Amino acid sequence: DQQVKQNSPSLSVQEGRISILNCDYTNSMFDYFLWYKKYPAEGPTFLISISSIKDKNEDGRFTVFLNKSAKHLSLHIVPSQPGDSAVYFCAASGNAGNMLTFGGGTRLMVKP
Amino acid sequence: DAGVIQSPRHEVTEMGQEVTLRCKPISGHDYLFWYRQTMMRGLELLIYFNNNVPIDDSGMPEDRFSAKMPNASFSTLKIQPSEPRDSAVYFCASSAGGDTQYFGPGTRLTVL
Repeated sequence: DQQVKQNSPSLSVQEGRISILNCDYTNSMFDYFLWYKKYPAEGPTFLISISSIKDKNEDGRFTVFLNKSAKHLSLHIVPSQPGDSAVYFCAASGNAGNMLTFGGGTRLMVKP
Repeated sequence: DAGVIQSPRHEVTEMGQEVTLRCKPISGHDYLFWYRQTMMRGLELLIYFNNNVPIDDSGMPEDRFSAKMPNASFSTLKIQPSEPRDSAVYFCASSAGGDTQYFGPGTRLTVL
């Protein structure tokens, strides 16, 4: 039973346009959400996070939106750059402390 | 400042052999996590430690897997005996008590 789902395995976007990556979760106990980016042959690197007390967090070109009622979060990248091409993982944690539950990932391809 | 260090980066072994993966967390981090990434199951948490003590090992697949953390700067994940289905990328991550985990580059294990 997947508690965190990324339903789009891949996404292709033109350079300069907006990339929107989506993530859904089922466990209402999750209270902290993170996005990680992963390049081939490297470990995931932390990108941005959001607490359940907020509905938006912004860091430069990256913005994460949280809709608790829909149990949905999204990552917006504006403008998208070719260097953003990577696999993006959504992750969630809750009352279990530091345990993270990851989604299956979305491969983003930004075309020049 | 060094990140999480894992060794070896690649390991090829034959079925039935013992495999030991190593991890050095970021200095000062008190949580350490071992993950496995496969095509079928994505990123799954195997075990995590807090202050060198195993807290949750419910993700460890079976008794062939064991993990230790003898001190704050070193952890091992051992598979004995190894099987072809153990082939995966194994990641170590550490955190400073918060929810943001920092990942190592991973060890790609191939069991023939």
